[in-house]
Amino acid sequence: NAGVTQTPKFRVLKTGQSMTLLCAQDMNHEYMYWYRQDPGMGLRLIHYSVGEGTTAKGEVPDGYNVSRLKKQNFLLGLESAAPSQTSVYFCATELGTRLETQYFGPGTRLLVL
Amino acid sequence: SQQGEEDPQALSIQEGENATMNCSYKTSINNLQWYRQNSGRGLVHLILIRSNEREKHSGRLRVTLDTSKKSSSLLITASRAADTASYFCATDDDYKLSFGAGTTVTVRA
Repeated sequence: NAGVTQTPKFRVLKTGQSMTLLCAQDMNHEYMYWYRQDPGMGLRLIHYSVGEGTTAKGEVPDGYNVSRLKKQNFLLGLESAAPSQTSVYFCATELGTRLETQYFGPGTRLLVL
Repeated sequence: SQQGEEDPQALSIQEGENATMNCSYKTSINNLQWYRQNSGRGLVHLILIRSNEREKHSGRLRVTLDTSKKSSSLLITASRAADTASYFCATDDDYKLSFGAGTTVTVRA
């Protein structure tokens, strides 16, 4: 089992470009999350999903969109990248019993020039 | 907003020593979790303690929870070089977890 995988691992964008980050899980978990991690700030929740077809805003949703068309995939989109979105992005999943262990992917490092 | 705040921000210890870090939070919780992050990797769950528990052990890890003081501590005993990592506490917030900024632990050989 691969667990939680993220694609790509690293990406450089120019300001204004768009891209989609993919999170895939093979654990049949209901809940999925997108976080960003910046130096000295811990993890901040961008968007999350409690089931296929549902999404909700987290703490820092501006500039991002998400979709959960299939249970196993959670996509994070940047429509018009800004330098402030330079960060490391982590996807996480949870079984769906509420607030139990979250399982994290390896991260995507994004640099916006 | 970050609910949990870890203290200290950084900790350097000798191999074999114990490492203690603390987490304070602001509002009532159902449970509190601790995670570890090795450099360049994702977070890994270490231990979960529920609000009705006061202490929990897992191998060389000991977690305490004091809901009256809204604080938790993580103790790593007999530290090893492999324990070098950042440690985060996370508190529940509806369907979400709220993470602190973390404590960076360096274990010197």
